[in-house]
Amino acid sequence: EIVLTQSPGTLSLSPGERATLSCRASHSVTNNYLSWYQQRPGQAPRLLIYGASSRATGIPDRFSGSGSGTDFTLTISRLEPEDFAMYYCHLYGDSLPFIFGPGTELNIK
Amino acid sequence: QVQLQESGPGLVKPSETLSLTCTVSGDSSTNYFWSWIRQPAGKGLEWIARIFATGTNYNPSLNGRVSMSLDRSKNQFSLTLNSVTAADTAVYYCARWSAARVCFDYWGQGILVTVSS
Repeated sequence: EIVLTQSPGTLSLSPGERATLSCRASHSVTNNYLSWYQQRPGQAPRLLIYGASSRATGIPDRFSGSGSGTDFTLTISRLEPEDFAMYYCHLYGDSLPFIFGPGTELNIK
Repeated sequence: QVQLQESGPGLVKPSETLSLTCTVSGDSSTNYFWSWIRQPAGKGLEWIARIFATGTNYNPSLNGRVSMSLDRSKNQFSLTLNSVTAADTAVYYCARWSAARVCFDYWGQGILVTVSS
């Protein structure tokens, strides 16, 4: 079973700054089926990125994803006030159960 | 526009059965998997189960207490969780799994279920 680690656990930045969030898998998988989700307080998670680097419909281009193997990154180029939220990664592995990372809290500095 | 909406009781007594339904609108395709995911207050996301045309899969951590069913005529799928305890208190989300994009692409708004006497 894959274990996902997200770092940092908490990231404090100001609007306009660049955010870099990491998701690391315990072992490499043969695909890049890594997805990222944003969860604002009191709301359901929302798909941001799938396939490690493809933006979901309606997601601004300030969000980008990259990585392969065991290391994946979500980058937010210029933070907007609405970007301060929790971010979770999910990697589709070779077996169930589906596992999510523990999340990164992005808060306003 | 695909929409998912959870429904069911918000309060369940310990040792009883939690039953939730997710109603899907805007999508009549059979090419998806349908899942339940939960989130205890202040914690992360835990996948519970999924159902698709040919079967179901469950998270082993739930020790066989969970089952899902699908009613295509009503565009609904359901979750049943037996012998609940306080540890099952959480917001429960239904979500669509896209095999093409390999991700949970649509989520319901979530329903808080509290297990308490």
